[in-house]
Amino acid sequence: EPEVTQTPSHQVTQMGQEVILRCVPISNHLYFYWYRQILGQKVEFLVSFYNNEISEKSEIFDDQFSVERPDGSNFTLKIRSTKLEDSAMYFCASSERSRGDGYTFGSGTRLTVV
Amino acid sequence: AQSVTQLGSHVSVSEGALVLLRCNYSSSVPPYLFWYVQYPNQGLQLLLKYTSAATLVKGINGFEAEFKKSETSFHLTKPSAHMSDAAEYFCAVSDQGGFQKLVFGTGTRLLVSP
Repeated sequence: EPEVTQTPSHQVTQMGQEVILRCVPISNHLYFYWYRQILGQKVEFLVSFYNNEISEKSEIFDDQFSVERPDGSNFTLKIRSTKLEDSAMYFCASSERSRGDGYTFGSGTRLTVV
Repeated sequence: AQSVTQLGSHVSVSEGALVLLRCNYSSSVPPYLFWYVQYPNQGLQLLLKYTSAATLVKGINGFEAEFKKSETSFHLTKPSAHMSDAAEYFCAVSDQGGFQKLVFGTGTRLLVSP
């Protein structure tokens, strides 16, 4: 069964550093998403991406965050200057169609900011 | 705005007992509804989804959920709990159209005792 692949599985970074979280969506999917889960809390939507542009973003997704699809296979989330409160599990997801019923989630990247 | 409420952050059952995890939703338009399961240190796995077809939805691992519009509920059940069912369960909602993000509940941790 096709999978969404996220790397690395765990990243530790110092406060103020830039991090890039990488995702390889399912190859025929057109819609891409990032979600975040702070430890012990619910999963929160960050951003959706389609046709090389952001289609929707949440209040969490401020100027420190950016997304990119640099080539035909990768989808990245960049945090420019990490803060302690950015420590969370970040999930990438992709979907074949725009409706919410076709998601496949990756296994996540645990980001720890120290 | 859409939202889901999961009653009970923790539910404890004995192996073989009925599992009932509650989810109530709020949506101004017909929703799609989902249950996801998260095992420790893993990603989100789709258990089942309601997409406006049959109101009783069967999912993987013997779980099922019933969409009740009059009660705005989408409770998850399983007739007989297994030790391997111990995990975190998230209810989520999305609109039926457009680039639709998922809105998650706060999750319910299911504990299964021998």
